[in-house]
Amino acid sequence: DAGVIQSPRHEVTEMGQEVTLRCKPISGHDYLFWYRQTMMRGLELLIYFNNNVPIDDSGMPEDRFSAKMPNASFSTLKIQPSEPRDSAVYFCASSRQGVTEAFFGQGTRLTVV
Amino acid sequence: AQKVTQAQTEISVVEKEDVTLDCVYETRDTTYYLFWYKQPPSGELVFLIRRNSFDEQNEISGRYSWNFQKSTSSFNFTITASQVVDSAVYFCASGGAVGGTSYGKLTFGQGTILTVHP
Repeated sequence: DAGVIQSPRHEVTEMGQEVTLRCKPISGHDYLFWYRQTMMRGLELLIYFNNNVPIDDSGMPEDRFSAKMPNASFSTLKIQPSEPRDSAVYFCASSRQGVTEAFFGQGTRLTVV
Repeated sequence: AQKVTQAQTEISVVEKEDVTLDCVYETRDTTYYLFWYKQPPSGELVFLIRRNSFDEQNEISGRYSWNFQKSTSSFNFTITASQVVDSAVYFCASGGAVGGTSYGKLTFGQGTILTVHP
């Protein structure tokens, strides 16, 4: 059974450019989470979806960040315009009701120069 | 709101030593789950163990064991006979429950860097 798949694994972009991170959750999972990991703030939840519907986006740092889940097997996290302080590792995770733990993808390391 | 504190920033041990990683949590939820995740140098987050708030029985799974004490809000994790491959960052996390089960919305501690020397 495939795990959570994220792409790209690494992204280097220039300040001001649009960045799109992609995630395919585990089949059958109905919760999807986007987390961000930085040295200063550690691992923090940005947004999560249940059955493709955004439930809580209170962790999204500002309007430059947006996330969508058009169907049960795909989600995107977009940053427009990107800034150097957005440099971090972005993790996608999925879970389902009745399963207590979340399973994480391998992360996307974003560097904004 | 939940809060997880891992007071140990870094731990260094020699192979075959036992090592305990400390975790203290704060939550207002009456039902909650506690987790340990491992992040090896390759960067992925690997689920290790979980415990729910209504079961304080401590368990052992291979070289891993955990000690959950609600009275002190602690959820400590022990690796017995550590190995070099155990070198990683270990995260303690808590999650609320809906309908009796967790669903992955986690609050993480800051992590403990474990280095196991040969």
